[in-house]
Amino acid sequence: QKEVEQNSGPLSVPEGAIASLNCTYSDRVSQSFFWYRQYSGKSPELIMSIYSNGDKEDGRFTAQLNKASQYVSLLIRDSQPSDSATYLCAVKSGNAGNMLTFGGGTRLMVKP
Amino acid sequence: GAVVSQHPSRVICKSGTSVKIECRSLDFQATTMFWYRQFPKQSLMLMATSNEGSKATYEQGVEKDKFLINHASLTLSTLTVTSAHPEDSSFYICSATHRIRGTEAFFGQGTRLTVV
Repeated sequence: QKEVEQNSGPLSVPEGAIASLNCTYSDRVSQSFFWYRQYSGKSPELIMSIYSNGDKEDGRFTAQLNKASQYVSLLIRDSQPSDSATYLCAVKSGNAGNMLTFGGGTRLMVKP
Repeated sequence: GAVVSQHPSRVICKSGTSVKIECRSLDFQATTMFWYRQFPKQSLMLMATSNEGSKATYEQGVEKDKFLINHASLTLSTLTVTSAHPEDSSFYICSATHRIRGTEAFFGQGTRLTVV
């Protein structure tokens, strides 16, 4: 069983819609959660981090964390074609030092 | 702040030669640097964890004699792909965590290695 799971997609949404990206993780002692965006041929770029249950908003992005359900999500409001990329969920366990465990990524396509 | 610079961004080498990739944290000291490799349409695969002044910890299946990692200072780690073969062609990415903040990981730009 993979430690961090994401639907590979592609997730296709029309421009202006809300894109919802989901991630589940298996390690209950995980403490830190991150969403990275990766454009084709480029390295990942950190867009959100979340450490406690609830919602965290930053511009058009909202990260949601539910530790009881071992679930973290990313909402992108007013999706733009430039948001088309692969979104990687990453989890840091309290027992693994600074190592991140990545999900397989979800490819998002925003259609004009 | 928190900029990680990786060099070179692209390299083409002949089979049997060695290639060195540098990863530098430009404006912070990095406790730990990580090396990943990524094949097309796949996620990041952790190759090794590098701590300053100590030997790297390699993931299962990664040959430590083929992928040499040196972390000589808190701002520099290098990955040397020795005796490269075409199957080593991949996208190699480093990341670093801040020595004090230690939570977020910042990525270098990546190196596209092509072995011909």
